[in-house]
Amino acid sequence: GEDVEQSLFLSVREGDSSVINCTYTDSSSTYLYWYKQEPGAGLQLLTYIFSNMDMKQDQRLTVLLNKKDKHLSLRIADTQTGDSAIYFCAETIYGGATNKLIFGTGTLLAVQP
Amino acid sequence: DGGITQSPKYLFRKEGQNVTLSCEQNLNHDAMYWYRQDPGQGLRLIYYSQIVNDFQKGDIAEGYSVSREKKESFPLTVTSAQKNPTAFYLCASSTQAGSDTQYFGPGTRLTVL
Repeated sequence: GEDVEQSLFLSVREGDSSVINCTYTDSSSTYLYWYKQEPGAGLQLLTYIFSNMDMKQDQRLTVLLNKKDKHLSLRIADTQTGDSAIYFCAETIYGGATNKLIFGTGTLLAVQP
Repeated sequence: DGGITQSPKYLFRKEGQNVTLSCEQNLNHDAMYWYRQDPGQGLRLIYYSQIVNDFQKGDIAEGYSVSREKKESFPLTVTSAQKNPTAFYLCASSTQAGSDTQYFGPGTRLTVL
């Protein structure tokens, strides 16, 4: 079935690296996404990776994709208190009249000063 | 500024009342979506629309209705038939349905009294 799994909580110290993990189900997913949600706000697109890539780097963010294991990770270098938020991964599911995004349950990242 | 707006930010409803949540975008996107977010869960798709005057049910459409009379607007009505309507509602849009990145509005928190 369609299921995207993430760990619920991650705590790191300011300045350390954070790694948020995600497993997805559809091997045909073309795009995989990371979104950030701050308290009481909507989802902000952080980055995405195309399925023919293994890695994508964007400033402090590094996305790694292991297609064999259907595993996606988001690494945040030099984590800051402003990075404290919920992070969602999402995969694209194809079929029927349209494609749709399936979201994980989100990982709450707590950055300790 | 281009973007997606949702109103109101907070909404309170008495049991048995219908309420309508507004979503407007000026990004010239064809596709629009409504999601529901509950604590500890990922986003679940309520309805989506690929073009004007067309919309389809998502995974949890029961108790909700939508319209798409204009490209810019995709209002969601939460009817009295929705048994557990208290949640955070997020609207999103993309240039094409499913195959492109979705951008989110700030959300509306609905509370049933």
